[in-house]
Amino acid sequence: DQQVKQNSPSLSVQEGRISILNCDYTNSMFDYFLWYKKYPAEGPTFLISISSIKDKNEDGRFTVFLNKSAKHLSLHIVPSQPGDSAVYFCAANSSSNTGKLIFGQGTTLQVKP
Amino acid sequence: DAGVIQSPRHEVTEMGQEVTLRCKPISGHDYLFWYRQTMMRGLELLIYFNNNVPIDDSGMPEDRFSAKMPNASFSTLKIQPSEPRDSAVYFCASKGGSAYNEQFFGPGTRLTVL
Repeated sequence: DQQVKQNSPSLSVQEGRISILNCDYTNSMFDYFLWYKKYPAEGPTFLISISSIKDKNEDGRFTVFLNKSAKHLSLHIVPSQPGDSAVYFCAANSSSNTGKLIFGQGTTLQVKP
Repeated sequence: DAGVIQSPRHEVTEMGQEVTLRCKPISGHDYLFWYRQTMMRGLELLIYFNNNVPIDDSGMPEDRFSAKMPNASFSTLKIQPSEPRDSAVYFCASKGGSAYNEQFFGPGTRLTVL
């Protein structure tokens, strides 16, 4: 059973517009969430994270929002750039299991010039 | 720092053969993870080690898969015998410190089993 779900396999947006990537989770024990970005033929790289004590975390063009009641988080990229085209993975962690990240299936973002 | 190093980058083998994937974590990191990426299931955690000790191997698909970490700077993931359904990209990752530190991924090994 997928505890972390990214229901949109792909997303296409125009350069300069906002990209919104969504992620849902089922395990209420998750208390830390991360987004990773992956380019072809490379490993995933960390992008941004958020603790469950917050509902928003911002880093430059990237903002992650967390809605604990809905068990939903989203990544906003504003403005989107062609270099943002990649696969984005949502991941979740529980402090009771210090090492383990549970990843979603990924969403492929294409930003068109 | 060289980052997480994986070898080989590509492996093509025939069904029934033994496959060994290798990983060198970032120096000083005390956690090491093995993941498998497929289109259907995304990134799946296979096993992870803390201080060279396997902590959780519940993601290992079956007995054909085994992983070892003989020391802090080296780990292997072995598949014996390999099957076509094992074809995937296998990633190694490492991290150090607290539970919430980010994991650093290697470039992956693309395995094709014919």
